[in-house]
Amino acid sequence: LAKTTQPISMDSYEGQEVNITCSHNNIATNDYITWYQQFPSQGPRFIIQGYKTKVTNEVASLFIPADRKSSTLSLPRVSLSDTAVYYCLVRSYNTDKLIFGTGTRLQVFP
Amino acid sequence: SQTIHQWPATLVQPVGSPLSLECTVEGTSNPNLYWYRQAAGRGLQLLFYSIGIDQISSEVPQNLSASRPQDRQFILSSKKLLLSDSGFYLCAWSVGSGGDTQYFGPGTRLTVL
Repeated sequence: LAKTTQPISMDSYEGQEVNITCSHNNIATNDYITWYQQFPSQGPRFIIQGYKTKVTNEVASLFIPADRKSSTLSLPRVSLSDTAVYYCLVRSYNTDKLIFGTGTRLQVFP
Repeated sequence: SQTIHQWPATLVQPVGSPLSLECTVEGTSNPNLYWYRQAAGRGLQLLFYSIGIDQISSEVPQNLSASRPQDRQFILSSKKLLLSDSGFYLCAWSVGSGGDTQYFGPGTRLTVL
């Protein structure tokens, strides 16, 4: 059964760069990797999506190695408002099911 | 632009009572629709997904069911709630297949007492 794992929590300070890695060793061959941000009592919000190498948008970058067995979400210069839980989402190669990662709780301190 | 609605926002129900949560999407046609549950402090568990009217797949066997009576309406139901059904229920939509980005609704907080 495919597993998608993330660190449970991370701490950072304002202005620092934060990198959150998701391990997905059984990802579907032709599917994308998506990252979401969730604040308490709200639905997850789309951050970024990529297939391979590097993708960048106005809020984050996504790094995907050639084997695609992991991905790293990079948040440049975090602020207090980036305190949230971050999830990766991939499709399993074995089951063709969409699987959310376990989630990483990011706490940003002033 | 597309919007997704869920109601009610919060719900407190006794054990053994029925449940009906509704989700509607506006601004898109033939979306894929999803129901997730999130227990307190936990990740998201996919319950049901639908690629079209009356086309629903169940991911986790339990006392919940889902229906899609219209293209942009998705309903989550139960005949008899259990304590373990408490949680945050999220509806989401996407379009296309493969690499489809999901967009989530505001959620329903269900407490079963």
